[in-house]
Amino acid sequence: SYVLTQPPSVSVAPGQTARITCGGNNIGTKSVCWYQQKPGQAPVLVVYDDSDRPSGIPERFSGFNSGNTATLTISRVEGGDEAEYHCQVWDRSVDHVVFGGGTKLTVL
Amino acid sequence: QVTLKESGPALVKPTQTLTLTCTFSGFSLSSSAMSVGWVRQPPGKALEWLARIDGHDDTFYSTSLTTRLTISKDTSKDQVVLTMTRMDPVDTATYFCARMIGVAAITYYFDHWGQGAAVIVSS
Repeated sequence: SYVLTQPPSVSVAPGQTARITCGGNNIGTKSVCWYQQKPGQAPVLVVYDDSDRPSGIPERFSGFNSGNTATLTISRVEGGDEAEYHCQVWDRSVDHVVFGGGTKLTVL
Repeated sequence: QVTLKESGPALVKPTQTLTLTCTFSGFSLSSSAMSVGWVRQPPGKALEWLARIDGHDDTFYSTSLTTRLTISKDTSKDQVVLTMTRMDPVDTATYFCARMIGVAAITYYFDHWGQGAAVIVSS
């Protein structure tokens, strides 16, 4: 089965740029999306189709996908960005949704 | 406005069957490009996809749980039901339903989520 690997945690100071990676075999050939999840809440879609943002998501959130790594970049990080971030792909070969293990973003 | 809400028991005993209902509004589950899926999250752990059903009643299950899961829909009530048999304490989790958007057989993603239903499996 397809596996997505995320770092358990990333820390960044306010105003800096956070980069959260999602590794997978030839993930660049798949479409990646990202969810933000705050404690006790449901996930919220922040990036889909590698780099598109749903309406209402700030431009500070951006995505890129190539080779074996997809990256979610959060510019000018704010305290409100502190959350768990999950990457997700669809494995077409078995028609399965696959999630990464999640990355806890801490704003110092 | 798209909304989804999960309902079901908060506590089930080991070996029992769990039945969860997702009641949705603001969209019609009537095409293959749109699905409703279930995802669970054990406390402190990652999200895990369980199943989905599309507007044509096609169903898809996680390989690891396929023998225990059944997903169905009641279009007249705008509901999707998930049953999971042989519940075990390791199935303790928050169970989410969510609308899934499919794009030209390239990807599926969840664009709207329910608030989640916490389920504890314990005797």
